Amino acid sequence: DTAVSQTPKYLVTQMGNDKSIKCEQNLGHDTMYWYKQDSKKFLKIMFSYNNKELIINETVPNRFSPKSPDKAHLNLHINSLELGDSAVYFCASSQTGLAGNTGELFFGEGSRLTVL
Amino acid sequence: QKEVEQNSGPLSVPEGAIASLNCTYSDRGSQSFFWYRQYSGKSPELIMSIYSNGDKEDGRFTAQLNKASQYVSLLIRDSQPSDSATYLCAVRRASGGYNKLIFGAGTRLAVHP
Repeated sequence: DTAVSQTPKYLVTQMGNDKSIKCEQNLGHDTMYWYKQDSKKFLKIMFSYNNKELIINETVPNRFSPKSPDKAHLNLHINSLELGDSAVYFCASSQTGLAGNTGELFFGEGSRLTVL
Repeated sequence: QKEVEQNSGPLSVPEGAIASLNCTYSDRGSQSFFWYRQYSGKSPELIMSIYSNGDKEDGRFTAQLNKASQYVSLLIRDSQPSDSATYLCAVRRASGGYNKLIFGAGTRLAVHP
C-alpha cells in the first residue's frame, strides 16, 4: 500500500494553462504539505494543512490554490502556468504538525511539472 | 543568507571511505535538525535526527551538532555505492503554533567503486 500517493506523476503543458495535482495519504496523519523542488534540488515549503485547516502559507503567487477536502487529501491547483512553475511538486504528511521532537515527513513520489 | 546552507557538491569519495557532509543554519534558536536522503528521481526519506549537542550514531551514520557554531554534519562510514544520493539537511522552525521543516539545497554524494 502506498502511504502518500500523488497524481499525476508527470504533467507537460503550455504556458497559460491550468493544472491540478492530487494527493492522498493513508497513514492517518493530520497534517499535509506541498513542497516545490526546483532544478537545483532546493526543496521549499509552499502550504500546509492541519485537519483541513490552512496553517502555513508561504509567499506563493495566488495562482496557486491548495484545497483539502478532508485530512487525508490535499490538492493543488495552479492557474495561468508560467515557465518558472516547472519543478517537481512533492506532497508530504506528518503527524501533529511536527510537534514535539518529530521531524519526519512522509513524501509522495512527486509530480514533475514541465511548462513549455 | 539562506536559512540552511549546504555545499552542493558533488562530493566524491571512494568506496569504504568516510563521507563528511556539512550544514550551517542561520536561526540560533533552532532546536531540531534532520538529515534526509534523496535518490535521483525519488522522494526524500528521513535517515537521522539530532537535537542535542554532540554526536548521535545509527549504524554507519553519525550526526554531529554544534549549536554554538550553528553547524550540523553527517558522517557516513564505510561508504557504499548505494549511498550515492543527495543529502538534505533540514531544520525545524515554529510557524504560527505549528512547525515546518526548512531544507537546504542538498549535497550530492557520489561513492565510486
